[in-house]
Amino acid sequence: DTAVSQTPKYLVTQMGNDKSIKCEQNLGHDTMYWYKQDSKKFLKIMFSYNNKELIINETVPNRFSPKSPDKAHLNLHINSLELGDSAVYFCASSQDLIAGEIGGETQYFGPGTRLLVL
Amino acid sequence: RKEVEQDPGPFNVPEGATVAFNCTYSNSASQSFFWYRQDCRKEPKLLMSVYSSGNEDGRFTAQLNRASQYISLLIRDSKLSDSATYLCVVNGANAGNMLTFGGGTRLMVKP
Repeated sequence: DTAVSQTPKYLVTQMGNDKSIKCEQNLGHDTMYWYKQDSKKFLKIMFSYNNKELIINETVPNRFSPKSPDKAHLNLHINSLELGDSAVYFCASSQDLIAGEIGGETQYFGPGTRLLVL
Repeated sequence: RKEVEQDPGPFNVPEGATVAFNCTYSNSASQSFFWYRQDCRKEPKLLMSVYSSGNEDGRFTAQLNRASQYISLLIRDSKLSDSATYLCVVNGANAGNMLTFGGGTRLMVKP
């Protein structure tokens, strides 16, 4: 029944490793996103995918690569993990890409993946 | 200047009190505005959308002043369960439905 789900919920790993976080939405939405929430609790967007096309890509390191096998999934792969990558990563989805029908742009968030890099 | 600014709080109020949060945004071309709520160690969840001059949903009232680039959230008759962080969120004018989040205002409602 979960609308937006992420796995794993917790991820503890060593610096330099490569890891992936998976996200799935069963809402039939067209657009999915990845956000990072750092220790100061600021939420910042990393990526947006619409119909398997990357729409926006904030200034994140190219060690981060989103992969969308289909409209319902947007995975986040991280190479060569660094200490500063420790944060909570949230996946989200929305029906519309831009402001249109009221409510269509509302984003629904997954429960988050808490990443700790040691 | 931050794109979306909020007083981080915390606001400590007794049950039943009325509390108001303010938020300012820098991009005058912003199209839509939201208040999200985030509980400790949980994901943000939409509380209210603010599309025109404001709207009301039960004990919650959101106001938008485009001229001053200012959004507010009023909570009446505070409940213990209202304790959370309230995030002011602004949708920019560019493509990509890019949401810009404020840093959040923490509310603690005490018995």
